[in-house]
Amino acid sequence: DTAVSQTPKYLVTQMGNDKSIKCEQNLGHDTMYWYKQDSKKFLKIMFSYNNKELIINETVPNRFSPKSPDKAHLNLHINSLELGDSAVYFCASSQVGNNEQFFGPGTRLTVL
Amino acid sequence: KNEVEQSPQNLTAQEGEFITINCSYSVGISALHWLQQHPGGGIVSLFMLSSGKKKHGRLIATINIQEKHSSLHITASHPRDSAVYICAVGSTGNQFYFGTGTSLTVIP
Repeated sequence: DTAVSQTPKYLVTQMGNDKSIKCEQNLGHDTMYWYKQDSKKFLKIMFSYNNKELIINETVPNRFSPKSPDKAHLNLHINSLELGDSAVYFCASSQVGNNEQFFGPGTRLTVL
Repeated sequence: KNEVEQSPQNLTAQEGEFITINCSYSVGISALHWLQQHPGGGIVSLFMLSSGKKKHGRLIATINIQEKHSSLHITASHPRDSAVYICAVGSTGNQFYFGTGTSLTVIP
């Protein structure tokens, strides 16, 4: 199926740990995004990335870092996890020139 | 104050009613998006528009650039339309801003 996929779907971990969430799209898109949805269901963009440019939301702590091994993948690494990092993280992709976004199913991160 | 404001926050309608959700924004935009988030959590892009009007089935989205306002209309609403509808704008400054969402419940 053509889609944006994320793994894992659920992630439960302890404070202080380092974790990664993987995202893959097979839509041939050249721009990928990471969003955070907090407990109040408010969405906020964290990063947008294509081969040429990484745009970071300045409010994102530098414990969060995107890593793109290739155009189809944008993984999210989180160091020294904190309780406030608990949220649902969505990956999305789009094509340059057409900002219609296709979302992954989300990863629910719970930090204990 | 958010860059994107939606109203109403919550909306309950009877099946068959015509529904309007409003979105106002304060930044210069390259495009405005309407997203739908189902109770299961998945997010689907409904529309992306930068001018005028788009229609897809029973859904219509309009935008007025001068007034910095967009509306999402649902005609002949159905219980399966129950979801959270989110307005989002891609700004000319390469930022992306979301409204807080409108939770719609359509009662049979």
